[in-house]
Amino acid sequence: EVQLLESGGGLVQPGGSLRLSCAASGFTFSSYVMSWVRQAPGKGLEWVSAISGSGGSTYYADSVKGRFTISRDNSKNTLYLQLNSLRAEDTAVYYCAKGLAVADPFPFDSWGQGTLVSVSS
Amino acid sequence: DIQMTQSPSTLSASVGDRVTITCRASQSISSWLAWYQQKPGKAPKLLIYKASSLESGVPSRFSGSGSGTEFTITISSLQPDDFATYYCQQYKSYSGTFGQGTKVEIK
Repeated sequence: EVQLLESGGGLVQPGGSLRLSCAASGFTFSSYVMSWVRQAPGKGLEWVSAISGSGGSTYYADSVKGRFTISRDNSKNTLYLQLNSLRAEDTAVYYCAKGLAVADPFPFDSWGQGTLVSVSS
Repeated sequence: DIQMTQSPSTLSASVGDRVTITCRASQSISSWLAWYQQKPGKAPKLLIYKASSLESGVPSRFSGSGSGTEFTITISSLQPDDFATYYCQQYKSYSGTFGQGTKVEIK
């Protein structure tokens, strides 16, 4: 059974930083593109970033480009998202998500439970 | 960027009703469209991919259709477990844009 477990969320001041983690199990982690998707309180879903199975290719939404960095450690079956220069509009639940097919970023067939990032002074 | 527009935003229906939600893309996305169901406080669940392919384990009362710029998801007979918010997502481009969501409420 695929399991994705996020951690690392919390309250941070504007301009601050945070690192999110997503521990994966139940599938061959290194074969799949992994993504982060966020959802602001009471709002819809927004794809944030994706990384290839090898980690050699990364992709970002324009809204986070230059501030967020996605990475992965295939030896630990863990996905990361480094959030820097945080803004109030980054407040959201952040989900990690797995692509349906090997090497395909979309759609997402498995999601974590989410971790809440709150940016406020 | 490809924009996705869902209609309606809210839908009131009764158990047993046939329900259809529409998703329109701002440009052709071929069949690169997925539908998700999300319940309050939970992660989204994949229902349909490639416009009309049913994800494993999803009840057959869900069906998807369309190509190009107009797509629909239909629930043939609404069940109590189906009251939720539904999102479409295009994946022709790497932005993976979602629609704004359609909330299916109890009438």
